[in-house]
Amino acid sequence: AQSVTQPDIHITVSEGASLELRCNYSYGATPYLFWYVQSPGQGLQLLLKYFSGDTLVQGIKGFEAEFKRSQSSFNLRKPSVHWSDAAEYFCAVGALQGAQKLVFGQGTRLTINP
Amino acid sequence: DADVTQTPRNRITKTGKRIMLECSQTKGHDRMYWYRQDPGLGLRLIYYSFDVKDINKGEISDGYSVSRQAQAKFSLSLESAIPNQTALYFCATSDLVSGANVLTFGAGSRLTVL
Repeated sequence: AQSVTQPDIHITVSEGASLELRCNYSYGATPYLFWYVQSPGQGLQLLLKYFSGDTLVQGIKGFEAEFKRSQSSFNLRKPSVHWSDAAEYFCAVGALQGAQKLVFGQGTRLTINP
Repeated sequence: DADVTQTPRNRITKTGKRIMLECSQTKGHDRMYWYRQDPGLGLRLIYYSFDVKDINKGEISDGYSVSRQAQAKFSLSLESAIPNQTALYFCATSDLVSGANVLTFGAGSRLTVL
């Protein structure tokens, strides 16, 4: 079975600073990987996804993520954060086989200092 | 109108009461899901359905039941609510994109059981 770990429960960065949110997954085959964002009072919105091919994927709102198979990681990055990026971020892994259910990490809450 | 609509958005109830959370979608997707979100635990799958005649338990189905009334409607019931079912509940739908599930979420239903 697949699993996801987001080691950082809460991260605070200053507006304009760079951001990296960590995600480590466990899955025996090639995973499908996702990052979702949840703004306060909202549902989850898909930021980006990795299925295959180029290991650096671009998403919405200026986010990108890099799949590193050797490290079982799929870290999310943004070069310069904006106050509107304050939210909770979830990494998820999906299996190619079987029911293809998504398994989510615990989430990382991002706070932006002005 | 939202692609995935959940009702009610907020509900406070008492221990032992029966509660139904409803979900409807206009995406035309066959697959629908109910997730529960608790702080520090991320999202956990309660039930999922791949078509009207298909219902499957997720990782935390005890104390919950579901009904798939139509392709567009998927309801979650708590037959006898208890305080540890206080949580934020999300409905999601999915379509296979390049062989992988990509979920679209509703805005969530916050349930408080006193």
